[in-house]
Amino acid sequence: TQLLEQSPQFLSIQEGENLTVYCNSSSVFSSLQWYRQEPGEGPVLLVTVVTGGEVKKLKRLTFQFGDARKDSSLHITAAQPGDTGLYLCAGEDSGGSNYKLTFGKGTLLTVNP
Amino acid sequence: NAGVTQTPKFRILKIGQSMTLQCTQDMNHNYMYWYRQDPGMGLKLIYYSVGAGITDKGEVPNGYNVSRSTTEDFPLRLELAAPSQTSVYFCATRTSRGQETQYFGPGTRLLVL
Repeated sequence: TQLLEQSPQFLSIQEGENLTVYCNSSSVFSSLQWYRQEPGEGPVLLVTVVTGGEVKKLKRLTFQFGDARKDSSLHITAAQPGDTGLYLCAGEDSGGSNYKLTFGKGTLLTVNP
Repeated sequence: NAGVTQTPKFRILKIGQSMTLQCTQDMNHNYMYWYRQDPGMGLKLIYYSVGAGITDKGEVPNGYNVSRSTTEDFPLRLELAAPSQTSVYFCATRTSRGQETQYFGPGTRLLVL
């Protein structure tokens, strides 16, 4: 069974601060996806990283995939209250064609004005 | 284009009752998934389907059944509801191409008393 350890589980910061969320595993994934979930809604994809060492930027969010494709990080610069939500990382199976995702437990981010 | 729809939004069941959670998609995706999300536990895969007539177990299938008679519909059946099945249930779909996102429905919140 593939496991994804996500940290921290909770994060409460002030507007304007920077933060990093980590997603680690002992397994290799074919890709790693980051989702954001608002209360009462389903997760929505932010980004998919595929290549070891890959870095992707989405406005103030920077995503990195580890060289060995086992870990990833999400860095938010100058956080805003609108960034508040549950951030989930999910690894896609490297074998088979059923495209199953293994999810981390999530990081609940609160950005206070 | 409604995407992924789930019904009902919320349901209270008594122990031992049965119910079907409905999931319908209009994106013509072959792959469909059922997850449950418990507080602080991320999303766990219950069952998935790679096409009409084909289903398989995920990580936590006990107490659930599924069927996939059409591309559009993927209902989840609870035969004998137990308090441990209190959770939020999400249906998701994706295409058969690699590194694609899963599209999630809005979820069904189930309380078993």
